[in-house]
Amino acid sequence: DQQVKQNSPSLSVQEGRISILNCDYTNSMFDYFLWYKKYPAEGPTFLISISSIKDKNEDGRFTVFLNKSAKHLSLHIVPSQPGDSAVYFCAASGETSGSRLTFGEGTQLTVNP
Amino acid sequence: DAGVTQSPTHLIKTRGQQVTLRCSPISGHKSVSWYQQVLGQGPQFIFQYYEKEERGRGNFPDRFSARQFPNYSSELNVNALLLGDSALYLCASSPLFNEKLFFGSGTQLSVL
Repeated sequence: DQQVKQNSPSLSVQEGRISILNCDYTNSMFDYFLWYKKYPAEGPTFLISISSIKDKNEDGRFTVFLNKSAKHLSLHIVPSQPGDSAVYFCAASGETSGSRLTFGEGTQLTVNP
Repeated sequence: DAGVTQSPTHLIKTRGQQVTLRCSPISGHKSVSWYQQVLGQGPQFIFQYYEKEERGRGNFPDRFSARQFPNYSSELNVNALLLGDSALYLCASSPLFNEKLFFGSGTQLSVL
């Protein structure tokens, strides 16, 4: 039972353009969502998060949008840079689950110069 | 400040053996969690410890066990290794029970 799903295994964009990574979830008890970035041979690094009481959160070039009715969130990166090339994981947690995270499968983003 | 440190970085074992993985959290962090990442998949939750008590366990067999020490470091033990246990094992820490996680670089375990 995949409660958090990232349907695109890979995404390729040109430097300077927008990257949009998508994530869907099925568990209505999830109320906190995070995006992590992972480079090879490193652990996941926290990027940005959003609480279910919001529908948008921005941090510099990164914006996360949450659509609760559709159980869908997306990460926008504008403008994309070659250093953004990495695997991006969507993760979710519920209020009672501590910091236990349920991760999606990941999306490999490649930003071409 | 040092991040989450894990040892060893790589490990090769044979089926049936036992393995112990170690993790030191960020200084001041009291919660440690363990995740298993199989190639091509996202990390899967194994355990969470907070203040030396188990606070959560994922869908893993009893061959997997863990503990947290008074200095908040942690060990993950896996007995009777199977080929399917080959994965990247990630440790993560957080200041308190319900906060975002900071991950270490992981231990790559290969079971032959």
